[in-house]
This record gives sequence, C-alpha cells and structure tokens, in this order.
Amino acid sequence: ETGVTQSPTHLIKTRGQQVTLRCSSQSGHNTVSWYQQALGQGPQFIFQYYREEENGRGNFPPRFSGLQFPNYSSELNVNALELDDSALYLCASSLDQAFMNTEAFFGQGTRLTVV
Amino acid sequence: AQSVTQLDSQVPVFEEAPVELRCNYSSSVSVYLFWYVQYPNQGLQLLLKYLSGSTLVKGINGFEAEFNKSQTSFHLRKPSVHISDTAEYFCAVTPSGGYNKLIFGAGTRLAVHP
Repeated sequence: ETGVTQSPTHLIKTRGQQVTLRCSSQSGHNTVSWYQQALGQGPQFIFQYYREEENGRGNFPPRFSGLQFPNYSSELNVNALELDDSALYLCASSLDQAFMNTEAFFGQGTRLTVV
Repeated sequence: AQSVTQLDSQVPVFEEAPVELRCNYSSSVSVYLFWYVQYPNQGLQLLLKYLSGSTLVKGINGFEAEFNKSQTSFHLRKPSVHISDTAEYFCAVTPSGGYNKLIFGAGTRLAVHP
C-alpha cells in the first residue's frame, strides 16, 4: 500500500474522445509525476508537476496536459485520443522533485483502452 | 540521451535458485540508478537505488545490485528466490541533468517455478 490512489482503474474510450485520469497523492507530497506504460514496455515519462506548476515534460504532444491541486490531487488529461494512447497510466508522488533525494510512490495505475 | 537496456525479457528460474537480472545503461554523464518491481495489477515499488559510495547496494526482500561504472551495468541479484518474487522488474536511471524523471528499461519478467 503506497498511499497513492488512481481512478478509475480501467477505462474504455473511443478514438477522438477526451479523457481525464485522476491521482490522489500522499499527504504532504508536493510533486507528482505521470508515466505511460504501453503493453510489454517500461514506463515513459510524460510530465512532472511541482507545487502546481509543470516541472519538466517528456516527448509527448500538447494534447497531453495536467493539473495539480493544493489538496494533493492531480489530473492527467488527454485530448483527441488515438489508438496508440492505449496503455497503463501511472502517477507517482514524492516529497521532492529530484528522484535521488526521495522515494517516489506509485499508484496502481489506470488501464486506458482506446477503440 | 540516456537509455537503459535490460538484456533479458524473461528469466525463468526454480524456487530457491539464485537469479541475476541484467541492466546496462548508456550515458556520458553521471547517473543515479534504480530497480523497481511491479507485481500483477499493482504500481511500481522501489527495490533499491544507487546514488554514490559503495558499489554494492542492498535493497528490500533480499535483493542486491552492483554498480559497475566501467561496464555501465547495474545488475540485480538474489541468492535464493521465492515463488512470491514472480513479477516484472524494471531498471531505471535518473540522469544528473534530468533529476526529475526516471528513464526505464523495457523490463524483465521473472518467473519462479516450484
């Protein structure tokens, strides 16, 4: 039990639709990172939010966006869904931006299927 | 750009046998190294990490890893595995210039058989 919860656990969407995934971080954790894990691959960094501001972004298009709220919750929004967006989406909360300074606690993920 | 290669996609092993999961990274700058485990339908859990100092790092559940700078490797080992160790294992790096993200390998599926 990491204290990080994601909702929903599973989701099916149609190509072209928009989706919002949610993450509830551990209390006191001011940093949340989002990763996309395609089937059979390792997680890929989407972006990180630190104190409600984007703090680094991976190689993902602008239709991937996020929000972080003061109550330690956050959202990942994906517009204009494509079939290749089908993946497990993981959020990780931490006390610090830098992974060498702290431990990142991962949620169990949201499995998104785009049809 | 940094990258991580996990040399084996699957490793089958019998219970109580030793196991080594191999990881190589490519980087021209210093990195920090991590091993994570992912059990079915769960998120990632940190097993151990190397930041500096002793090249042999001990982690949870009896796992250890050795950092070898000359071979750019960070192999994970356990002297005696249990059925409960069956999971996906990911090696990851945080480049010193990109401290706020983890770059993961593709993973190694460890299957422990009775």
